[in-house]
Amino acid sequence: SAVISQKPSRDICQRGTSLTIQCQVDSQVTMMFWYRQQPGQSLTLIATANQGSEATYESGFVIDKFPISRPNLTFSTLTVSNMSPEDSSIYLCSVADENYGYTFGSGTRLTVV
Amino acid sequence: DAKTTQPPSMDCAEGRAANLPCNHSTISGNEYVYWYRQIHSQGPQYIIHGLKNNETNEMASLIITEDRKSSTLILPHATLRDTAVYYCIVRVFSSASKIIFGSGTRLSIRP
Repeated sequence: SAVISQKPSRDICQRGTSLTIQCQVDSQVTMMFWYRQQPGQSLTLIATANQGSEATYESGFVIDKFPISRPNLTFSTLTVSNMSPEDSSIYLCSVADENYGYTFGSGTRLTVV
Repeated sequence: DAKTTQPPSMDCAEGRAANLPCNHSTISGNEYVYWYRQIHSQGPQYIIHGLKNNETNEMASLIITEDRKSSTLILPHATLRDTAVYYCIVRVFSSASKIIFGSGTRLSIRP
């Protein structure tokens, strides 16, 4: 299965600032997915990132708040913009693997103060 | 919305088999049943998947009912390291098919 490197693993940020999370995959993948996991909750899909096109956002998530880049088939970034304490969550990227369904990164634990 | 229903929590004695149920009564003919687990806020880990036949790997067994409306994940000899949240998911076998997570089952293994 694919191996995903996600950075940073954790960060503490001031409200009103932005954080960019990077996701690097060791193989070329068509689709990459970004999830948010709020404290004590399940994972919620933010958006699907397809190389060469704009990301597709799920209901409740907008591009201005969570801009996504997908410059090539092995890399993607998610930016959390104009952060507030409500954005404190774990953010995960994942890729579809035909054999195993999805492979997930280790996550970015974000705390906004 | 998630297409599966799981009990919110279960517990099991160490060394015994843990049987985790999942209902997916609206599953389509081309959808597979996948199981993942998440240990203490790490990224979810793949366990097993199946279409209609029972499956077994080194981690677990998956039993799918004949009508495919429910399934059971079996951890044959549970250890403390199996304490995690277990997610049952149905999805089409495609790289473009997104996963929608339900609330999962929090499995606690007691010594």
